[in-house]
Amino acid sequence: AQSVTQPDIHITVSEGASLELRCNYSYGATPYLFWYVQSPGQGLQLLLKYFSGDTLVQGIKGFEAEFKRSQSSFNLRKPSVHWSDAAEYFCASRPYSGAGSYQLTFGKGTKLSVIP
Amino acid sequence: EAGVTQFPSHSVIEKGQTVTLRCDPISGHDNLYWYRRVMGKEIKFLLHFVKESKQDESGMPNNRFLAERTGGTYSTLKVQPAELEDSGVYFCASSQDVRGSMGTGELFFGEGSRLTVL
Repeated sequence: AQSVTQPDIHITVSEGASLELRCNYSYGATPYLFWYVQSPGQGLQLLLKYFSGDTLVQGIKGFEAEFKRSQSSFNLRKPSVHWSDAAEYFCASRPYSGAGSYQLTFGKGTKLSVIP
Repeated sequence: EAGVTQFPSHSVIEKGQTVTLRCDPISGHDNLYWYRRVMGKEIKFLLHFVKESKQDESGMPNNRFLAERTGGTYSTLKVQPAELEDSGVYFCASSQDVRGSMGTGELFFGEGSRLTVL
């Protein structure tokens, strides 16, 4: 069965500092990988996704993520955090094919606080 | 274009009562999903509709939960009778293509309906 691990429950960074949110997946083959963000009072918004090809993926709001097969990781990064980035971030995976391949498996989420 | 809308945003009920959550997907999206996040846990899949048909309801926790999608438009999720462990946030998502937009992989999520069972 698939699983997604986000080891950091809560991270606090200063505005302007760099950010890296960790995500590890467990699956027999390379799945599709996603990062979603939920800002207060908002729904889940897709930041970026990885299907295949270039392992460095660019997303919205200045975020990027790097897929590392050897580490089963898909960490989210941003070079300079803005106060508006304070939100909860979810890593998710979906099987490449097969039964249930439309089901997303989510990590527990990482809550990001930004200090002015 | 309107996004996925969910109602109510927050519902507080007593144990044993009934609650019905509603989801209006993006117009034209045949695929509709329900997910749930219980406090401190992961967001978990509940079920998937393709138009009015239940494609997969393997994530539904028990028979106290009933989901419908009459006419293939909006969907309702009824919990009857509600128990304390049903508290959480219920998310609805929709997508245009079969199998969750295999081309883009993007599900469009609503803001969620928070359910508190006392």
